[in-house]
Amino acid sequence: AQSVTQLGSHVSVSEGALVLLRCNYSSSVPPYLFWYVQYPNQGLQLLLKYTTGATLVKGINGFEAEFKKSETSFHLTKPSAHMSDAAEYFCAVSDLGNDMRFGAGTRLTVKP
Amino acid sequence: DTAVSQTPKYLVTQMGNDKSIKCEQNLGHDTMYWYKQDSKKFLKIMFSYNNKELIINETVPNRFSPKSPDKAHLNLHINSLELGDSAVYFCASSEGTGVTYEQYFGPGTRLTVT
Repeated sequence: AQSVTQLGSHVSVSEGALVLLRCNYSSSVPPYLFWYVQYPNQGLQLLLKYTTGATLVKGINGFEAEFKKSETSFHLTKPSAHMSDAAEYFCAVSDLGNDMRFGAGTRLTVKP
Repeated sequence: DTAVSQTPKYLVTQMGNDKSIKCEQNLGHDTMYWYKQDSKKFLKIMFSYNNKELIINETVPNRFSPKSPDKAHLNLHINSLELGDSAVYFCASSEGTGVTYEQYFGPGTRLTVT
């Protein structure tokens, strides 16, 4: 069965610094990969997803992620952090079915 | 305009009680879901429901039952609540089945069982 591991339950960066949130997946078939963001007291919102095609995926709010099959990774990056990026971020994986498996989440803190 | 709404937002109840959480989506989507987010933030799918086809995660106890009066609603009924049921429950919907369709999440219902 597929699964994801998010390295680091908490990441803290300064405003304007690079954001890097790590996600490694396990899947027996070519995976679909997702990043979701959860702001306090809100539901999850899709940031970006990889299904097929280009391995560098651009999402909303300036985020992007690169699918690296050789490393089984799908790390999320943003060149310059903004205070409004502070939230919980979830990586998720799925095979061709409906079932999405989520990671444990990474809380991003942005310091002024 | 709220796309996916849930009521109540907070629910505190005692062990052994039966409770329901309501979910409504105004997106015209065909598929709806229930997820459970535990205290460690793990998000697990419980059910998906599409055109009267219910797909159940095998790990979900049969005390949990989804009920869909129409395509826009998928309510979650929980019987004989246990302490371990305390979690945040999220409803979601998507245009179709399969992960190529984006899922839209509601704001969540925080259930506390005492």
